[in-house]
Amino acid sequence: KNQVEQSPQSLIILEGKNCTLQCNYTVSPFSNLRWYKQDTGRGPVSLTIMTFSENTKSNGRYTATLDADTKQSSLHITASQLSDSASYICVVSGYGGSQGNLIFGKGTKLSVKP
Amino acid sequence: DGGITQSPKYLFRKEGQNVTLSCEQNLNHDAMYWYRQDPGQGLRLIYYSQIVNDFQKGDIAEGYSVSREKKESFPLTVTSAQKNPTAFYLCASSPGPWVNEQFFGPGTRLTVL
Repeated sequence: KNQVEQSPQSLIILEGKNCTLQCNYTVSPFSNLRWYKQDTGRGPVSLTIMTFSENTKSNGRYTATLDADTKQSSLHITASQLSDSASYICVVSGYGGSQGNLIFGKGTKLSVKP
Repeated sequence: DGGITQSPKYLFRKEGQNVTLSCEQNLNHDAMYWYRQDPGQGLRLIYYSQIVNDFQKGDIAEGYSVSREKKESFPLTVTSAQKNPTAFYLCASSPGPWVNEQFFGPGTRLTVL
């Protein structure tokens, strides 16, 4: 069964600290993996999208890694800010099927405290 | 500004009433989608449309209906047949099929009174 598992479910860190969010998937065949940031009560905003051949991709203080062999991805946030408080959603796109095999994780809720 | 808009932001409905959620995009995207988001769950697909005048049911289409008469617009109607309609509804669009990145609207929160 195609699945996307994210951990931890929630995380609290102090402002200025780094953190890493995990995403494990079983979607096959694999097309790409996306990380979205969703502020409370808002729509998700894309952070990165990575294909099979990409190992690392950065967007400012956000760095995503992808290991297609182990089917794992991580999102590393450097020098966290209060505005990083949000849910982070991992989405994996596969090939095939009438709905394109797009699988959403449940998200990790990050709280950055002053 | 290019983007995808949803209206209204908040919507209240009495039981037994149908309501329509608006979704408009000026990104010239062919594909549009409707998702439902509940606390602690991943986004679930309600309906999608890959091209004008064509749409397909997603995983949880029961109690919902859509239309795609224009490329820019993909309204969602929540009917009285939807047993638990209170949720956060997200519309998205993409340039082409599923492997393309999706862009999301700001969402509509529907509450049934």
